[in-house]
Amino acid sequence: ETGVTQSPTHLIKTRGQQVTLRCSSQSGHNTVSWYQQALGQGPQFIFQYYREEENGRGNFPPRFSGLQFPNYSSELNVNALELDDSALYLCASSLARVNTDTQYFGPGTRLTVL
Amino acid sequence: AQSVTQLGSHVSVSEGALVLLRCNYSSSVPPYLFWYVQYPNQGLQLLLKYTSAATLVKGINGFEAEFKKSETSFHLTKPSAHMSDAAEYFCAVTSGSARQLTFGSGTQLTVLP
Repeated sequence: ETGVTQSPTHLIKTRGQQVTLRCSSQSGHNTVSWYQQALGQGPQFIFQYYREEENGRGNFPPRFSGLQFPNYSSELNVNALELDDSALYLCASSLARVNTDTQYFGPGTRLTVL
Repeated sequence: AQSVTQLGSHVSVSEGALVLLRCNYSSSVPPYLFWYVQYPNQGLQLLLKYTSAATLVKGINGFEAEFKKSETSFHLTKPSAHMSDAAEYFCAVTSGSARQLTFGSGTQLTVLP
């Protein structure tokens, strides 16, 4: 069974640029959630995709957008990058949208905005 | 909104000593609670979860947590710390329409030789 994978591992961008982060969910999982973890803080929920539809969104501006594909992999896109977007971006997959379902996390993508 | 509070951003214990990491939750409905561990430069790994079955939950690597409704707590314990337990630990609760995880601010555990 393949776990959650993310690419790239590290990324450096400059202010104003756009970035796309990718996530492959664990085999059989149809739900993907994205989290932002700033240095020294706990992860914060960005949004969730279930069967290719956005299923919920945290307190992030519209320049954070996403997609989920038929194979349940997902992308996180961030436009007009700001310095505060520098963080570890974590993707998590789960089998269903239930409270008790475990979310399995990938290793993350470290984004640095200069 | 459901939330969790982790008391103590840094905890140091000696190798072989008891580990106690504190987590209190705020919830108007029965919560579903999780503990995750994060090693340096890695993602999050699930240690254990509470889903309203047994109040004492056993997890991986010898960790366990007890759900105490009267104290609104879900503290993580391990009888004997190992050097390999040094990491950051996050308590989390599911909330919202997407059942997303809401995390505490984390506790950095240091294990002293």
